[in-house]
Parts: sequence; structure tokens; C-alpha cells
Amino acid sequence: GAVVSQHPSWVICKSGTSVKIECRSLDFQATTMFWYRQFPKQSLMLMATSNEGSKATYEQGVEKDKFLINHASLTLSTLTVTSAHPEDSSFYICSAQLAGGPGTYNEQFFGPGTRLTVL
Amino acid sequence: SQQGEEDPQALSIQEGENATMNCSYKTSINNLQWYRQNSGRGLVHLILIRSNEREKHSGRLRVTLDTSKKSSSLLITASRAADTASYFCATDAWGAQKLVFGQGTRLTINP
Repeated sequence: GAVVSQHPSWVICKSGTSVKIECRSLDFQATTMFWYRQFPKQSLMLMATSNEGSKATYEQGVEKDKFLINHASLTLSTLTVTSAHPEDSSFYICSAQLAGGPGTYNEQFFGPGTRLTVL
Repeated sequence: SQQGEEDPQALSIQEGENATMNCSYKTSINNLQWYRQNSGRGLVHLILIRSNEREKHSGRLRVTLDTSKKSSSLLITASRAADTASYFCATDAWGAQKLVFGQGTRLTINP
């Protein structure tokens, strides 16, 4: 149980185009999902927290107009990289939070990641 | 922002030896978790230790937590080639949803 998928697993696009990445919780409902990016040999950096039915909360330094996040349902969040440039090339990972109930830890389950290469 | 620091950044040992990785953090936490990441893959959750716990075991893994020093260690005993991966600690604070990841340790197990 608690499986999170991402699609696509990798994408190559031309500079200036937009790319949409999907994050799905397959067997549970997630009111909260998170988007991270990871550069080679570095750690995960949180980009934004996505709450179903409301606007995402972006971390400092992350451009909300460039990285559009939509969390339209309890099982799907999307990240759209608009007008992508080579410096946006990275590994993007999402996670979905499983609510454990009052007083319990809300565990995050991670997707397999999406490798974006912008030419 | 990333608050966690891990050391060493890279560790190379022989198969069968034990591997120890350390993680330090800066603010008070609710839980600390360790994850493994194989190259180019997603994260695999290894173990969670709560702020009121001092030690936890899971198979060949042993995690300690010292909240007074704001540090944790992950010990992998009897290492195997398949343990080769990057290992990250992640913390969450009381009342906060998000995880803050350490910089990670790249572990290489030589056959």
C-alpha cells in the first residue's frame, strides 16, 4: 500500500517549452503533496507544499509563476515547468502525505522521480 | 532551506564491514527519518525515530538520536554491495508538515 507514481519518468524538451509532471497517490487519498528538486549529487530541496483545493505554498526563492502547481483532486498533483531553460534540468520528486489521524505522524510517501532535461 | 548536515559526505568500505553515517540538525524536531536513494531513483524509507526515542533497530539498521546534541547516527551492520546508495536524514518539526533533508552520505560498498 501507499504507492505514489510520477509521470513521466523522464522527459527531454526544448528550451522555452512547458513541461507538466504528474504525481499520483495510487491507493490512498492525500490532502497534501510536496514537490522537491534534486541536482546531481545533492540533496532534495523542497520547492512547494501542495494542498488539495487551495493554492500551493512555495519555499523562499522558488518562482511560483515558473513552477505552477495544481492539486485538483485528492490523488493528483501536477507540476508544470513553464518556459523551461537548461538550468531547470533536474530530478523532480513528489511525495504524498498519508494522514494518520489525530496525534499520529503523517508519513510522506515518495514517487520515483522525473528526470527533466532541457536542451 | 536545508538545515541538516551529514557526515561523511562520502564513505567507501569493504563488504561485510559496518557503515556509520551521522546527521546533525539545527532546530527542535518531532521526528527524524532516514532514507536511502539509489542513483537516479526515488527515496526508500528506512526508519523513523521519534524525538522521545534514543535508539531504534530494524534488521541490520541501528539508529540513534541525541536531541541534546541535535544529532543522529545510522549504523548499517554487515554491509552488502546492495547497500551502495545515498543515505539522507530528514527531520520534521512540531506542527510542521514539511521534511527538511540533510545533505546526504554517498555510501559505496566494495566487494
